Amino acid sequence: GAVVSQHPSRVICKSGTSVKIECRSLDFQATTMFWYRQFPKQSLMLMATSNEGSKATYEQGVEKDKFLINHASLTLSTLTVTSAHPEDSSFYICSARGTGDYEQYFGPGTRLTVT
Amino acid sequence: AQKVTQAQTEISVVEKEDVTLDCVYETRDTTYYLFWYKQPPSGELVFLIRRNSFDEQNEISGRYSWNFQKSTSSFNFTITASQVVDSAVYFCALRSPRDNRLAFGKGNQVVVIP
Repeated sequence: GAVVSQHPSRVICKSGTSVKIECRSLDFQATTMFWYRQFPKQSLMLMATSNEGSKATYEQGVEKDKFLINHASLTLSTLTVTSAHPEDSSFYICSARGTGDYEQYFGPGTRLTVT
Repeated sequence: AQKVTQAQTEISVVEKEDVTLDCVYETRDTTYYLFWYKQPPSGELVFLIRRNSFDEQNEISGRYSWNFQKSTSSFNFTITASQVVDSAVYFCALRSPRDNRLAFGKGNQVVVIP
């Protein structure tokens, strides 16, 4: 149980374009989802927390207009990187937490490369 | 503010040797949770253990063991008789029940040499 998927697993896009990453909870309802970013050889840094049906809460230093997060249903959250630049190239990982459950279950990650 | 420190960045060991990863944390919460995750080259985080602040019992799971010392704010992880498959980055993390946010350490890159 508690499986989280991400799609795509890898994506390459050109500078200036937008890319959308999906995070799905497959066997539970995720009231809260978290988005992390991990640069090579670095730790996971929390970007934002989203609750179903509400606006996401962004961490300090994360541009909310650049990283659009939508959590419209209890099983799906999306992260859209708008006007991507090469410095946005990173490993993006989502996690999900169910109702009454304090554990976070992690997705397999999405590797974004902006050329 | 919560902080997790993993001082050792890369550790190389010869297969069958033991390796201990240190984790020191800072928090003002009296209740909190500590975690260890493994991140193999594929990138997916693998949950290893969760420990709450009221449970100071050490734990052993196969070749893995954990030593929680609340007095020194440490939660160290030992891999006994290491194997090549143990090569990965290991993260220690701290979670506050107030907001459920996870604070990760910088990670330990473990390289097991056959």
